[in-house]
This record gives sequence, C-alpha cells and structure tokens, in this order.
Amino acid sequence: AQTVTQSQPEMSVQEAETVTLSCTYDTSENNYYLFWYKQPPSRQMILVIRQEAYKQQNATENRFSVNFQKAAKSFSLKISDSQLGDTAMYFCAFMSEYGGATNKLIFGTGTLLAVQP
Amino acid sequence: DTGVSQDPRHKITKRGQNVTFRCDPISEHNRLYWYRQTLGQGPEFLTYFQNEAQLEKSRLLSDRFSAERPKGSFSTLEIQRTEQGDSAMYLCASSFVQKTNEKLFFGSGTQLSVL
Repeated sequence: AQTVTQSQPEMSVQEAETVTLSCTYDTSENNYYLFWYKQPPSRQMILVIRQEAYKQQNATENRFSVNFQKAAKSFSLKISDSQLGDTAMYFCAFMSEYGGATNKLIFGTGTLLAVQP
Repeated sequence: DTGVSQDPRHKITKRGQNVTFRCDPISEHNRLYWYRQTLGQGPEFLTYFQNEAQLEKSRLLSDRFSAERPKGSFSTLEIQRTEQGDSAMYLCASSFVQKTNEKLFFGSGTQLSVL
C-alpha cells in the first residue's frame, strides 16, 4: 500500500523569503502522480502543483516549484517570495497511474505554513 | 464553470439522526469522489463514481453510509444513525478523466458535528 509522509507539522517563514516543505512517499509502482494541495482557513483544497513520475523535469508554477527525487521517493515543495496569502495547510498527495484503478489521492498529514509579516 | 459545490456548509445533528449531503461537480466531469477529513489529518478516500456507477468504496465507509449519483451529475452522501465519530469535514471532488491527465477539483466541504 502507498503511504505519504510529511514530517514537518508546522513551519514559519518571513514574507518574501523562501521556504521548502518536505514530503516522502512509499510505493512499488513506477508510474504515478504527485501533488501539492493548499488548504487555507476556508478549508477548500486548492491544487498548487502536479508532477508526473515519468517526467524528470521538476514542475514549476510561478512561485511554486518542486524537487522530485524518484529514487529517494522524495517530493518537496519550494515556495519563493512567500506572501501572506500563502499561509495555509499544505498537503502532499500521491495518485497511482495503475490502469483501471480508482486514481484516488492518498494524502499526507499536512504541514501548517505560517507566513509572518 | 462554477467549481464544485457542496451543500450544506455546516451541519449539526444529534447522535442517532440521519443526515444527507449534496455535491454538485463541475459540469461534464465524469468522476466524483467523496473524502472525509478529521481535524489535523489529511483527507481520506471514501468512495468514487464514474458517471453513475459507484466503482469503489473504502473500508471506512460502514454500512451506515450510502452514496448515490443517480444521473451521473450531482451526488448525495447519507449517513444513517450518526455517531460522534462521524464528526468530520466531508469533501467532494470531481475530475474529467483523460488518458494520462487527471486533476481533482475539490469543493469547500460539509462540516458535520454530531452532538
């Protein structure tokens, strides 16, 4: 069974600084997807960034980028130029690409990020 | 495209009562998922539909839970004889499955409190 581990329950960063959130996962599959979701106080899950395991190039979305290390099963999220609106819970998630499967997301326990003014 | 809509946003009920939640997915999304999130945890998969067919149910979904998606559009999740342990945020998500590219879009959830 796949598992996702986020070992940092809480993190804090100063506005305009850079912060990296860690995520490791466990799977025996070769093809899969990894995601970072943001959950602000409104509690709506918002997709931040997505990575396909077969792609070596790290995904980037504006100020958000990932460091995907497939062999190490590591998937960290880097937020550059942190903004107050980035304050939220961040969840790392795994999705199998196994043909015909549910394609359900498996989430970690989250990292609460506080951006300080 | 107005996003995934869930109703109600909050529900307070007494133990033993039945409750029903509704989810309206993004139009033309063929997959719909239900997740449950307890405080301090990530969401956990409950069940999903492809069109009107319910294709998988988690072991978390006891026989007191039932979900439907009668016409392949909106979905309902009913909990019978609620227990205090059912208190959680119930999240709905939808997606349009393509060959290699599936992104789930979540609603704002229904927060259930069982007293």
